[in-house]
Amino acid sequence: AQTVTQSQPEMSVQEAETVTLSCTYDTSESDYYLFWYKQPPSRQMILVIRQEAYKQQNATENRFSVNFQKAAKSFSLKISDSQLGDAAMYFCAFTMNRDDKIIFGKGTRLHILP
Amino acid sequence: NAGVTQTPKFRILKIGQSMTLQCTQDMNHNYMYWYRQDPGMGLKLIYYSVGAGITDKGEVPNGYNVSRSTTEDFPLRLELAAPSQTSVYFCASSRYQASAKGEQYFGPGTRLTVT
Repeated sequence: AQTVTQSQPEMSVQEAETVTLSCTYDTSESDYYLFWYKQPPSRQMILVIRQEAYKQQNATENRFSVNFQKAAKSFSLKISDSQLGDAAMYFCAFTMNRDDKIIFGKGTRLHILP
Repeated sequence: NAGVTQTPKFRILKIGQSMTLQCTQDMNHNYMYWYRQDPGMGLKLIYYSVGAGITDKGEVPNGYNVSRSTTEDFPLRLELAAPSQTSVYFCASSRYQASAKGEQYFGPGTRLTVT
């Protein structure tokens, strides 16, 4: 069975600094997709970034980028120039090719310190 | 375009009562999902549907039922509520299969307390 592990329940970062959230996953599949979702206090889930496993290049979306290490089954999220609006729960998620379902990790709560 | 809407936002149930959580999407998405989120935990899939008339169990289906008679609606039924069903429930939808595009659009959630 596939699993997603986020080992950091909470993290804090100073505003304007850079922070990295960790995620590891376990699968025997080679064709899959990884995501980071953000859940602000409003509870609405928002897709932050997506990575296809077959792509070697790390995905980036403005201040958000990932470090995808396929052999190590690691998928960390880097947030640059942290802003107060980045404060939220961040969920790492996984799905296999041709699957209908996404598996979510337990989440990391990120605090931004002014 | 309202996206995914859920009602009610909050509900308190007594043990043994039943209720239906409503979910509607106006994006003409084929795929719809129900998740529960317990405190300090990630989302766990309860049921999902790949189209009208088709539903399937997720990771934690016991104590719940669903139906999908239309593309827009995907209600979640709780029969004989138990304290273990106290949670926040999220409905989500997506146009494509999870692996094809991945982006699921979530509703605002329903906070359910069973006492």
